[in-house]
Amino acid sequence: DTEVTQTPKHLVMGMTNKKSLKCEQHMGHRAMYWYKQKAKKPPELMFVYSYEKLSINESVPSRFSPECPNSSLLNLHLHALQPEDSALYLCASSQVGAGKNEKLFFGSGTQLSVL
Amino acid sequence: AQKITQTQPGMFVQEKEAVTLDCTYDTSDPSYGLFWYKQPSSGEMIFLIYQGSYDQQNATEGRYSLNFQKARKSANLVISASQLGDSAMYFCAMRGLIQGAQKLVFGQGTRLTINP
Repeated sequence: DTEVTQTPKHLVMGMTNKKSLKCEQHMGHRAMYWYKQKAKKPPELMFVYSYEKLSINESVPSRFSPECPNSSLLNLHLHALQPEDSALYLCASSQVGAGKNEKLFFGSGTQLSVL
Repeated sequence: AQKITQTQPGMFVQEKEAVTLDCTYDTSDPSYGLFWYKQPSSGEMIFLIYQGSYDQQNATEGRYSLNFQKARKSANLVISASQLGDSAMYFCAMRGLIQGAQKLVFGQGTRLTINP
């Protein structure tokens, strides 16, 4: 199984809503990532978890709250988002190590629209 | 600072022709990795090929090869015998030490269109 599964595929939410994005992988990867991608732009790193601990937070606003409940799951909790937060949110996972083994496997993403 | 540059916003190629997508990078870290990803309209990022900074030979993966010129800091992707299914966005990315942590950063991307 070389899949990273993200749910939901599409999400529309109001600025006062609370929602969560979910990501799951069963490749035994111990690093998991959240990226944000605006239309026609490259993905931008938001968070990195290594061995279920948050290792990188790219100064992301607190309205985005990541969670890694176990080695297979990664969540992104959303609260009081702004319309400019509308984007494709990509989850990825990788082995922890050097070289080609550190290639990231990406999910298909959640297309988020904030109204 | 780490930087990845893709200077071709878009490319149009006839089916079955070879195509080269350009990528240059800048880093002071002697140990780094270079990746190419393909992103079709479905949104998923698909890994294509990897080149390590200490690798002596250019990487190849099927129809994909990486023209790695370390002194010029370039890592161009070559796709041989292009197919209609190759139409997608292509991102060059570099993994290296940035602000004390290993991170993967992407270039701006090149949109490749294969014409029948």
